[in-house]
Amino acid sequence: QVHLVQSGPEVKMAGSSVKVSCTLSGGALINYPITWVRQAPGEGLEWMGGIVPMFGTVKYRQEFQGRVTISVDESTNTVYMELNSLTSKDTAVYYCARRASASTNWFDPWGQGTLVTVSS
Amino acid sequence: SYVLTQPSSVAVAPGNPATITCGGHNIGSKSVNWYQQKPGQAPVLVMFFDSDRPSGIPERFSGSNSGNTAALTISRVEAGDEADYYCQVWDDIIDREEFGGGTKLTVL
Repeated sequence: QVHLVQSGPEVKMAGSSVKVSCTLSGGALINYPITWVRQAPGEGLEWMGGIVPMFGTVKYRQEFQGRVTISVDESTNTVYMELNSLTSKDTAVYYCARRASASTNWFDPWGQGTLVTVSS
Repeated sequence: SYVLTQPSSVAVAPGNPATITCGGHNIGSKSVNWYQQKPGQAPVLVMFFDSDRPSGIPERFSGSNSGNTAALTISRVEAGDEADYYCQVWDDIIDREEFGGGTKLTVL
């Protein structure tokens, strides 16, 4: 059974960067697109972008263009999401989630989430 | 961007049915997925491709999608169904995933 395990909580200063990891167990990462979704406190879900390791393609939400980088390390079955120029509005729980294939758009399973707190 | 509209809250007594709607322009032409999120937990997929249930999701959960409205129906609500529910589609115009604002299901 596939599981996604994310890195631990982070506290960052405004203007800095954060890099969150997401490690897949129970399968080879190259077979599965991975998506990143964030959730601000008390708010809904916001899609940030995703990567298809098999094709090396990456997509980002336009609002994050230039500020977010999603990358993959196939040797450790890990996907990374790095967000730069942090502000208090980036305080949120960041989730990774697997898509079954490049041609499907549902997310299952999800990682446990990583709380990123940005302080000014 | 493609806007998905959900009611902010739905309240149902145990044993009664609950329907959570997700409105969008011509959403019937898209594939809709639904997620359940309990407090402090990650979302869980409860319906995909409009009306397909993942393994482990009770048969009480069903989905539909037509015209401008998709819906997630729980036939006999239980206390354990209390959660936030989100619909999700892929916006093919600007090539990105979109989530509805979420609906809080309260079991009375």
